[in-house]
Amino acid sequence: QVQLVESGGGVVQPGGSLRLSCAASGFTFSSYGMHWVRQAPGKGLEWVAFIRYDGTNKYHADSVKGRFTISRDNSKNTLYLQMNSLRGEDTAVYYCAKVYYQYSMDVWGKGTTVTVSS
Amino acid sequence: QSALTQSASVSGSPGQSITISCTGTSSDVGVYNYVSWYQQHPGKAPKVIIYDVSKWPSGVSSRFSGSKSGNTASLTISGLQAEDEADYYCSSFTRYSTWVFGGGTKLTVL
Repeated sequence: QVQLVESGGGVVQPGGSLRLSCAASGFTFSSYGMHWVRQAPGKGLEWVAFIRYDGTNKYHADSVKGRFTISRDNSKNTLYLQMNSLRGEDTAVYYCAKVYYQYSMDVWGKGTTVTVSS
Repeated sequence: QSALTQSASVSGSPGQSITISCTGTSSDVGVYNYVSWYQQHPGKAPKVIIYDVSKWPSGVSSRFSGSKSGNTASLTISGLQAEDEADYYCSSFTRYSTWVFGGGTKLTVL
């Protein structure tokens, strides 16, 4: 079945780095754009980044621009989020999501938790 | 990019209808018909229930319906059921080639 599984979350000190991964299965990964969306504890959803199906275009939210980078490896059916210069406000559950009809998201992973704390 | 504006909470009794509004700007909701709505139960991942303002994904109940007027999109849930109790988020594509979510609305079924 169509599935996304995130990994790579954990506890990191402010200023540190983490790389999140999202393993896709059950669909032709290389044909779909992908998103990262996060949700801070008790808060709402926040869009983080998008990458086109072929990796040629990437867009990031202003809150993470210059610190986070979205990428993908279509040969491995895997999406990535490289997070540098982490701050306390980056603490959240990070979801990857598959594009649906260009501007929506239909398949979501269960999320991976990132905690930025000293 | 500021979050879209949603009321914090709404409630209704089983069988009733409720409407959740989502207000954006002329840079997002007002300029594109690319508004989606997501339902999120506690501890679960979001689920798309409306896309492109008013379209239903396969398998989603027609009790959910979407519309838009100017800079404001709306989600209406008719025939409220207990399982509809959840958080609801709107989202829109923006003229900056980014996406923005609303702050979320907590629906309580009385």
